[in-house]
Amino acid sequence: AQTVTQSQPEMSVQEAETVTLSCTYDTSESDYYLFWYKQPPSRQMILVIRQEAYKQQNATENRFSVNFQKAAKSFSLKISDSQLGDAAMYFCAYRTGPYSGGSNYKLTFGKGTLLTVNP
Amino acid sequence: EPEVTQTPSHQVTQMGQEVILRCVPISNHLYFYWYRQILGQKVEFLVSFYNNEISEKSEIFDDQFSVERPDGSNFTLKIRSTKLEDSAMYFCASRGLEDTDTQYFGPGTRLTVL
Repeated sequence: AQTVTQSQPEMSVQEAETVTLSCTYDTSESDYYLFWYKQPPSRQMILVIRQEAYKQQNATENRFSVNFQKAAKSFSLKISDSQLGDAAMYFCAYRTGPYSGGSNYKLTFGKGTLLTVNP
Repeated sequence: EPEVTQTPSHQVTQMGQEVILRCVPISNHLYFYWYRQILGQKVEFLVSFYNNEISEKSEIFDDQFSVERPDGSNFTLKIRSTKLEDSAMYFCASRGLEDTDTQYFGPGTRLTVL
């Protein structure tokens, strides 16, 4: 079974600075996807960024980027120029890809990291 | 932008009672999911639903749980006889055909079993 570990229950960052959230995972599958979801207080989880395991290039979405180290099974999220609106719980998640037998696209989550942004 | 909605936001019930948690997925989505998060623990997959039947369920999803899409818009999770350990946040999610990578989550229902 796949597992996702987020070792930082809480992180804080000063506004305009950069912060990196850690995520490691364990799998024997070769085809999979990794995601970072953001959940603001009392709001829905929304997808921040995703990475296909077969892609070498790290995904980037505006101020959000990942450092995907496949051999180390590490998938960290970097938030640049942090804003007050980035304050949220961040979840790392894993999904089996279709070539490893995944069909229902269920997600396996880590425990989350609560990010505080200080003005 | 379309959103997944869930009602109620908070449900308090007595142990042994039946509860129904409701979700309205995004209207053109075809895949539906329930997840739960016990306080301090990970978000866990419960069940996926497609074409009016369960496509996958976890070990958690035992005979006390059932899901239904009673009409064209609602997707419900029923717990027949609640236990203290069912207290958790329950999240509904839906996924469309076009953007298969993205599951859209609702805000959750906090279930408290006394």
